[in-house]
Amino acid sequence: GNSVTQMEGPVTLSEEAFLTINCTYTATGYPSLFWYVQYPGEGLQLLLKATKADDKGSNKGFEATYRKETTSFHLEKGSVQVSDSAVYFCALSESGGYNKLIFGAGTRLAVHP
Amino acid sequence: GAVVSQHPSRVICKSGTSVKIECRSLDFQATTMFWYRQFPKQSLMLMATSNEGSKATYEQGVEKDKFLINHASLTLSTLTVTSAHPEDSSFYICSAREAGGGTDTQYFGPGTRLTVL
Repeated sequence: GNSVTQMEGPVTLSEEAFLTINCTYTATGYPSLFWYVQYPGEGLQLLLKATKADDKGSNKGFEATYRKETTSFHLEKGSVQVSDSAVYFCALSESGGYNKLIFGAGTRLAVHP
Repeated sequence: GAVVSQHPSRVICKSGTSVKIECRSLDFQATTMFWYRQFPKQSLMLMATSNEGSKATYEQGVEKDKFLINHASLTLSTLTVTSAHPEDSSFYICSAREAGGGTDTQYFGPGTRLTVL
């Protein structure tokens, strides 16, 4: 079945450090890929998405490229801020049907001043 | 952007009572809404897929008689936890997918924290 694997957290960084959160997937067909962010006590917010191979999603300084050859969608940011502290979820949307989302386990990011 | 609301945001109830949670798409119509459950420090578990005007599709292991879902309109879906028990305490999150937009993007509500005493 389809699945998403994320690097385990927590990831602890100093402000202005470079961030990478790895995400790989297993899927049949041609899924869309997403990164969602969850701040403490809140629901999920869509951070970025990519719908086909080689697409790059970007938002708020975060980027991720849909790599079909390596089945990856790693999240990157060049300079993190304290306000980026949150849990990040990688997800894929199963093609066809109701387009259910399959989530990774989530990676907690803590950024310190 | 697409906004999804949930009500209530937090509810505390006694064991054996029923609790209804509402999920609304505020600025778009959603033929499909999804209900998730999230345990502390864990990922989201899809409970069911709710379609306007038809019965919900439940994931394996989810009791449909305990978690009643109604999707009466294109902007509202409700989840009723019947005869709630302490083990039902959790964070419940809904999401909605815009109708006819040709997109598979889901927009999430802020979540409802249910505590059953």
